[in-house]
Amino acid sequence: QKEVEQNSGPLSVPEGAIASLNCTYSDRGSQSFFWYRQYSGKSPELIMSIYSNGDKEDGRFTAQLNKASQYVSLLIRDSQPSDSATYLCAVNMVAGGTSYGKLTFGQGTILTVHP
Amino acid sequence: GAVVSQHPSRVICKSGTSVKIECRSLDFQATTMFWYRQFPKQSLMLMATSNEGSKATYEQGVEKDKFLINHASLTLSTLTVTSAHPEDSSFYICSAKRPQSELFFGEGSRLTVL
Repeated sequence: QKEVEQNSGPLSVPEGAIASLNCTYSDRGSQSFFWYRQYSGKSPELIMSIYSNGDKEDGRFTAQLNKASQYVSLLIRDSQPSDSATYLCAVNMVAGGTSYGKLTFGQGTILTVHP
Repeated sequence: GAVVSQHPSRVICKSGTSVKIECRSLDFQATTMFWYRQFPKQSLMLMATSNEGSKATYEQGVEKDKFLINHASLTLSTLTVTSAHPEDSSFYICSAKRPQSELFFGEGSRLTVL
């Protein structure tokens, strides 16, 4: 069983629509959750981080966390063609010390926003 | 601008040779850095945690004698792929946490072993 699971897609949405990306994780003790965007051939860039249950909004992006269901999602409002990328869900499954960098990544969801 | 820098961004080498990749934190000191590897169309996998002044901690299944990590200063960690083979061809990415901020990734280094 994969520790962090995402639908690999591709997910295709029209420009201006809401893109919804989902992620589930296996370790109930996980503390930190991240969404990264990765363009082809580039390294990941952080979009959102979320640590407690509920919603967190930043501009067009909203992260949602439900620890009871072990589920984290990312909503992208008013999707733009420039949002087309692979979105990686990452979970910090190890608490304490310098483990903050020990992220477990999902396989990524390819998002395509078409004009 | 970049917070964590890697060099080289691309390297092609012959099978059997060794390749060194550098990871630098540009405006902060990083006692700990992390090395990831990403194969085509796959996700990032943590290889090892690089600790300044001490031995690196390797993830299960990663050969420490093949992937040598040196963290000799607070701003530099190096990954040396020794006796590289075609199956080592991958995208290697380092990361470091800036104090009072988040984890930043370097630009990545694409290794192609012929």
